[in-house]
Amino acid sequence: GAVVSQHPSWVICKSGTSVKIECRSLDFQATTMFWYRQFPKQSLMLMATSNEGSKATYEQGVEKDKFLINHASLTLSTLTVTSAHPEDSSFYICSARSPAGGIQYFGAGTRLSVL
Amino acid sequence: AQSVSQHNHHVILSEAASLELGCNYSYGGTVNLFWYVQYPGQHLQLLLKYFSGDPLVKGIKGFEAEFIKSKFSFNLRKPSVQWSDTAEYFCAAGSGGGADGLTFGKGTHLIIQP
Repeated sequence: GAVVSQHPSWVICKSGTSVKIECRSLDFQATTMFWYRQFPKQSLMLMATSNEGSKATYEQGVEKDKFLINHASLTLSTLTVTSAHPEDSSFYICSARSPAGGIQYFGAGTRLSVL
Repeated sequence: AQSVSQHNHHVILSEAASLELGCNYSYGGTVNLFWYVQYPGQHLQLLLKYFSGDPLVKGIKGFEAEFIKSKFSFNLRKPSVQWSDTAEYFCAAGSGGGADGLTFGKGTHLIIQP
């Protein structure tokens, strides 16, 4: 099946630093990728839609200057959490939309812990 | 506003029991519906999907779901569960065509006792 690779799987950083998370589509070219956030024991919340070659579309309440998204190629989208604070600690999950059928395939997620 | 609600947050069953997990959605326009499963320590995997056509859809591992438009429901079923079905199950909805991100329910934690 389709595979979406997310890296790193776990990162710990100090408050005030920035962290970059990569999402790669390994089996197909994805013009659209999505970034979600999952709080403990809660559901996934859509943060933004990442479109190759254009600006990301952010959901209401998500700070675009805080969560920088770059979709520079058809197989790679990155999420940078800038000036991270403890409240940004969470599980971040990306997905890539397959051009054949419109199904989203998910990465394994990145657990971010901000100290 | 778009929303997906799952009725059961925790379900405990014995092996060979039948399973039904409820999912209701509120969505404007054409809707695509999905059930995803997340096994412990693993990523979300697609169980089944409904885009159009036959409202009874069959997925992997013996799961099926029925789209009932009049009830805005998309319940997941399996006639006989196995211990390996222990996982978190998420119902999700998206716009027709799959162009938008998905709206997820809160999930159901299913535990199957041997």
